[in-house]
Amino acid sequence: QVQLVQSGAEVKKPGASVKVSCKASGYSFTAYYVHWVRQAPGQGLEWMGRINPNSGGTNYAQKFQGRVTMTRDTSINTAYMELSRLTFDDTVVYYCAREVGSSWNHFDYWGQGALVTVSS
Amino acid sequence: EIVLTQSPGTLSLSPGERAALSCRASQSVSSSYLTWYQQKPGQAPRLLVYGASNRATGIPDRFSGSGSGTDFTLTISRLEPEDFAVYYCQQYGSSSWTFGQGTKVEIK
Repeated sequence: QVQLVQSGAEVKKPGASVKVSCKASGYSFTAYYVHWVRQAPGQGLEWMGRINPNSGGTNYAQKFQGRVTMTRDTSINTAYMELSRLTFDDTVVYYCAREVGSSWNHFDYWGQGALVTVSS
Repeated sequence: EIVLTQSPGTLSLSPGERAALSCRASQSVSSSYLTWYQQKPGQAPRLLVYGASNRATGIPDRFSGSGSGTDFTLTISRLEPEDFAVYYCQQYGSSSWTFGQGTKVEIK
């Protein structure tokens, strides 16, 4: 079965960077885009960007341009999202999700989420 | 960027009642790219409806989606206890995805 398993919770200091991983299994990793979506406590969902695991090509939301880097390692079927220059507002849960592809663009499978806490 | 506005913010209903959730877009959205998700506390979102009106695999037929252009609706015909959750609409356009702010369906 399709699974996206994310890395665990992290605590970072303001100004630092965080790298969250998302390990895919149960399907061909390079055949589907992987997206990253974040959610502040008690708030809504915010799209950050996506990566094409086949080519490595990325699309980032304008808000995160220059601060986010999405990469992948096809040898271990894992996607990564690195966010730099962290502020307290980056204390959120980060989700990875698979884009269903073909002529559709929705997300059919999600990781369990990874809480990143920014604290001094 | 297309902005999605969901209403109401909170819907207080009893089990067995009908729920109608609205999602309005700041400009026209292709129906193919309008999606609804359900999220329960402490869980990741779950795909409910895609392409505005297509139920995802395993989703009960009490959930239905409709609409076009800028106005979309998710209807739950008879609320079951497990349906009390937050619902988000999402759209895709110009290599960018946006979500509505969510509607919470709570037990009255």
